[in-house]
Amino acid sequence: TQLLEQSPQFLSIQEGENLTVYCNSSSVFSSLQWYRQEPGEGPVLLVTVVTGGEVKKLKRLTFQFGDARKDSSLHITAAQPGDTGLYLCAGRKLAGGTSYGKLTFGQGTILTVHP
Amino acid sequence: DTEVTQTPKHLVMGMTNKKSLKCEQHMGHRAMYWYKQKAKKPPELMFVYSYEKLSINESVPSRFSPECPNSSLLNLHLHALQPEDSALYLCASSQGGGRRVYTEAFFGQGTRLTVV
Repeated sequence: TQLLEQSPQFLSIQEGENLTVYCNSSSVFSSLQWYRQEPGEGPVLLVTVVTGGEVKKLKRLTFQFGDARKDSSLHITAAQPGDTGLYLCAGRKLAGGTSYGKLTFGQGTILTVHP
Repeated sequence: DTEVTQTPKHLVMGMTNKKSLKCEQHMGHRAMYWYKQKAKKPPELMFVYSYEKLSINESVPSRFSPECPNSSLLNLHLHALQPEDSALYLCASSQGGGRRVYTEAFFGQGTRLTVV
C-alpha cells in the first residue's frame, strides 16, 4: 500500500501552461517536502510545509498543505522548459515523537514542458 | 551550506569486486540515510543512521554493508553485487533526533552504479 499517492504520474504540457500536482494520503504527516530531480542528479529540496493550511510561494511555484496535514499540492504557473523534471513529494510521519525515521516518498510526477 | 557530497559520481564494478560509496556532510546533521533509486522511480530507503548508530535497515541484502565512522561521514560497502543492483545510490542527511518534527532531508548528487 502506497502511503503517499502522487498524481498525475506523467504530465506533458506546452510552455506557458499551468499545472497542478497532487500528493494525498490517509495518514497525517508532521511535515511534507517537495523535491525536484533531474536525470542522474539527486533530489533538490524545493519547500517544506509544516502547518495545516499553509501556503508557500517560490516564484512561479505555489505549495499548499491541507488543513488536516494529509495532502499537499504543487501548482506551477506559466510552465517553462526549465521546469522539466521529476517532482517528488515526501512526508515524515510522527513516530514516537522522533523525526529521524522514514521519509516516505510519493511515486513521483514526471513533468515535460515543451517549448 | 546545505551540501551533501557523494563520491564517486559514477562507478562500474564487476560482480566479484568490492567497492565503497562515500558520503560527507558538514551541516551538523545527526541523521544520515542511504537510498536506492531506479530510473523514473522514487528513492527507496535502505538504511538510516541516527547519532552514528544504525536505526533502520529496510531488509537490505548483506552484500550492502553501511558504516558511519563519525557524524559527518557515511559509507556503503559493496560486495558481490548483482546486475539488478545497478541504480542511483543517494545519500541524505537531516537534523534528526530529539523531537524535531519537521526536519528536511538534503540529498547528495548520487552515485550512478553499474554492475557488470
